[in-house]
Amino acid sequence: DAGVIQSPRHEVTEMGQEVTLRCKPISGHDYLFWYRQTMMRGLELLIYFNNNVPIDDSGMPEDRFSAKMPNASFSTLKIQPSEPRDSAVYFCASRPKLSNSYNEQFFGPGTRLTVL
Amino acid sequence: TQLLEQSPQFLSIQEGENLTVYCNSSSVFSSLQWYRQEPGEGPVLLVTVVTGGEVKKLKRLTFQFGDARKDSSLHITAAQPGDTGLYLCAGSNTGNQFYFGTGTSLTVIP
Repeated sequence: DAGVIQSPRHEVTEMGQEVTLRCKPISGHDYLFWYRQTMMRGLELLIYFNNNVPIDDSGMPEDRFSAKMPNASFSTLKIQPSEPRDSAVYFCASRPKLSNSYNEQFFGPGTRLTVL
Repeated sequence: TQLLEQSPQFLSIQEGENLTVYCNSSSVFSSLQWYRQEPGEGPVLLVTVVTGGEVKKLKRLTFQFGDARKDSSLHITAAQPGDTGLYLCAGSNTGNQFYFGTGTSLTVIP
């Protein structure tokens, strides 16, 4: 299994530009999570999906952020317009409905976003 | 909002030494997880504890969940350079939404 795949691995953009981060979860996993990691705030849950349906988006910082999951094998996190304070590492994670290890999430390698 | 505080924030020790990392909260959690994250990678789950007072061992790593399920500790015996990384605790009451701690960055010097 290839694990959770994220693209791009690195993104540098200018303030005001639209940014789209992509995630392919592990096949067969029912849950997908988007996290943001910064030195100041640590690892924060932004939104999670169950069977492609958004369940809790209370962690999304503001309306500039949006996430979609059009099918079981693909999700996007979009920032429009981007701002320098959005600079962070964004992680996608997935987990199966039933897990041998209680609620184990499998994280992707992350996308390091820099907004100039 | 950070509900989990970890200490120390940074730790640098010599190979072969023992160490303990702490994870504390004012909130009660039904489960608590420990992760290790290496540079340029996502966190990897080490263990999940769900019962107050529970102790789990993973080779040289010993994890304990506090009796009141508000705190946890990670003890590493005879640390090795391969233990270097960022250790994160994460608590949950729903099984889906996990609140991550502030992290402890461990460096083991050969």
